[in-house]
Amino acid sequence: GENVEQHPSTLSVQEGDSAVIKCTYSDSASNYFPWYKQELGKGPQLIIDIRSNVGEKKDQRIAVTLNKTAKHFSLHITETQPEDSAVYFCAAPGGGSQGNLIFGKGTKLSVKP
Amino acid sequence: KAGVTQTPRYLIKTRGQQVTLSCSPISGHRSVSWYQQTPGQGLQFLFEYFSETQRNKGNFPGRFSGRQFSNSRSEMNVSTLELGDSALYLCASSPYMDPRPGELFFGEGSRLTVL
Repeated sequence: GENVEQHPSTLSVQEGDSAVIKCTYSDSASNYFPWYKQELGKGPQLIIDIRSNVGEKKDQRIAVTLNKTAKHFSLHITETQPEDSAVYFCAAPGGGSQGNLIFGKGTKLSVKP
Repeated sequence: KAGVTQTPRYLIKTRGQQVTLSCSPISGHRSVSWYQQTPGQGLQFLFEYFSETQRNKGNFPGRFSGRQFSNSRSEMNVSTLELGDSALYLCASSPYMDPRPGELFFGEGSRLTVL
């Protein structure tokens, strides 16, 4: 089955700096890679996703890149703000149904003012 | 549009008891998935329901069960609670209009503590 590894587990940056979180996956057939943000006391919320037919996707200060050959994908946040502080999860399809995602262990991002 | 609603938000049980958690999906969403979130294991898929049928099941013991009603609301049940069942239980809904994987809309979760 699919296995997703996420690094780093914690990341601290100064406001205005960039943050990069990396994930690797094991199943070369995986074709969908979402990123979720979880704030304290809340459920995860999708912030961006990418399908395997594209190599990069951007949405304002957030971008995701995908390298299918190396089986890794990354989240890039530019011009970080204190409200970006949260736990970020990458994921890949677990198979069998739409709702089955295999999540990475998460990255706790702290943005210092 | 109202989001995914989970009840209760917090509950405390003792070992051996059973618990039922409820989830109301976003209106029009027909698929409901359940996840267990713990500090050690992270987010783990429990099961998914669509049109009152279990579509998929994760690697959890039979003590974990669920169901979905005709209005798409879902419940999950954990019987004979163990200390290790202490976790945040998250429900996620999706419109299931596309067979490809897509966005899951999560509720805020039900935090279960087993003493």
